[in-house]
Amino acid sequence: EAGVTQSPTHLIKTRGQQATLRCSPISGHTSVYWYQQALGLGLQFLLWYDEGEERNRGNFPPRFSGRQFPNYSSELNVNALELEDSALYLCASSLRRGGHNEKLFFGSGTQLSVL
Amino acid sequence: TQLLEQSPQFLSIQEGENLTVYCNSSSVFSSLQWYRQEPGEGPVLLVTVVTGGEVKKLKRLTFQFGDARKDSSLHITAAQPGDTGLYLCAHAGGTSYGKLTFGQGTILTVHP
Repeated sequence: EAGVTQSPTHLIKTRGQQATLRCSPISGHTSVYWYQQALGLGLQFLLWYDEGEERNRGNFPPRFSGRQFPNYSSELNVNALELEDSALYLCASSLRRGGHNEKLFFGSGTQLSVL
Repeated sequence: TQLLEQSPQFLSIQEGENLTVYCNSSSVFSSLQWYRQEPGEGPVLLVTVVTGGEVKKLKRLTFQFGDARKDSSLHITAAQPGDTGLYLCAHAGGTSYGKLTFGQGTILTVHP
């Protein structure tokens, strides 16, 4: 069974550009989560999608947005890129709707570099 | 925000040594999770502890949840180079469903 897949593996952009990151969850999983892992800052929660709807959002500006498609795959869009957006962006999926003991399965991430 | 503080931040040891990593908070949690992240990969869930005082073992790894459910520890016996990685504790935050709050992590390096 395939795990969570993310693309691209690496992405290089310049300041002010837009970035689109993609995630395919494990088959059968309906919830998709996005996290940012910047150097020295740990994993920061970005967004949670379930059944095509945004269910929760972390403390990030509106230029971080995304969506979930009918097949439960997801996109994360970052507009007006800033240097501090450089980070590893991790996608995770889960079988159920974000309960306290939910088991998250993470992808290997997209390393975004903003020059 | 219920913060998790992990210590130590860095740990460099020789193969065969024992070590303990701590995850502390001033808040009470319904559960805590431990993840390991290897370079170039996403975090992988190791264990979830739910009951105060609970001890769970995963081969050479022993996880304990504090009696008051405010802290947790991870003890590794006879560490091996394959244990090298970033160890993260996390909790699902209160009524904020879908959001895991992570500690800063402990970077463990086990030298052969």
